[in-house]
Amino acid sequence: EDQVTQSPEALRLQEGESSSLNCSYTVSGLRGLFWYRQDPGKGPEFLFTLYSAGEEKEKERLKATLTKKESFLHITAPKPEDSATYLCAVRSNFGNEKLTFGTGTRLTIIP
Amino acid sequence: DTAVSQTPKYLVTQMGNDKSIKCEQNLGHDTMYWYKQDSKKFLKIMFSYNNKELIINETVPNRFSPKSPDKAHLNLHINSLELGDSAVYFCASSHLSGGANTQYFGPGTRLTVL
Repeated sequence: EDQVTQSPEALRLQEGESSSLNCSYTVSGLRGLFWYRQDPGKGPEFLFTLYSAGEEKEKERLKATLTKKESFLHITAPKPEDSATYLCAVRSNFGNEKLTFGTGTRLTIIP
Repeated sequence: DTAVSQTPKYLVTQMGNDKSIKCEQNLGHDTMYWYKQDSKKFLKIMFSYNNKELIINETVPNRFSPKSPDKAHLNLHINSLELGDSAVYFCASSHLSGGANTQYFGPGTRLTVL
């Protein structure tokens, strides 16, 4: 069974203080690893898809990286508007089209 | 220009009632999904339809019945609601292909069963 574990559960940073969120995964053949952002009361918003180890993707202050066992979401010089819950999910090469999600990291950026 | 929309946004009802949640997508996708997010914010797949055909049916009580009248719509009907059904239900859609099939989510429906 596919598994995704995210850490830390919650993270409070000062504005401008860079850090990383971790997503460890176990999957029988990775077809894609996804990062989403979820604001309170809203649906998950797609950020990145990573397909293979060594791949990196960037968007504004966010950079996602992937190894064979984990993915990191690096946040550089964050701003208060980056506060949200960040969700990681995987899709396996085998079986159906479902995404298996982690429980998320709740990020708070303090001005 | 909403991509994935759900109605209603909030649903408060009594135990034992039957209710429906509707979902529509205008992204031209051929696959739609229902997820349940519990109080601990854990998102779990319930169902998926591809071109009106059920392709995912996770371990969900048979009180939950999805219906897909066409590729752009996927509704969720829940019979005999129970307290444990209280959660946020998200609809999502994607284009089924050989790739990763990125899923795009709706805004959610918060169901409260009293």
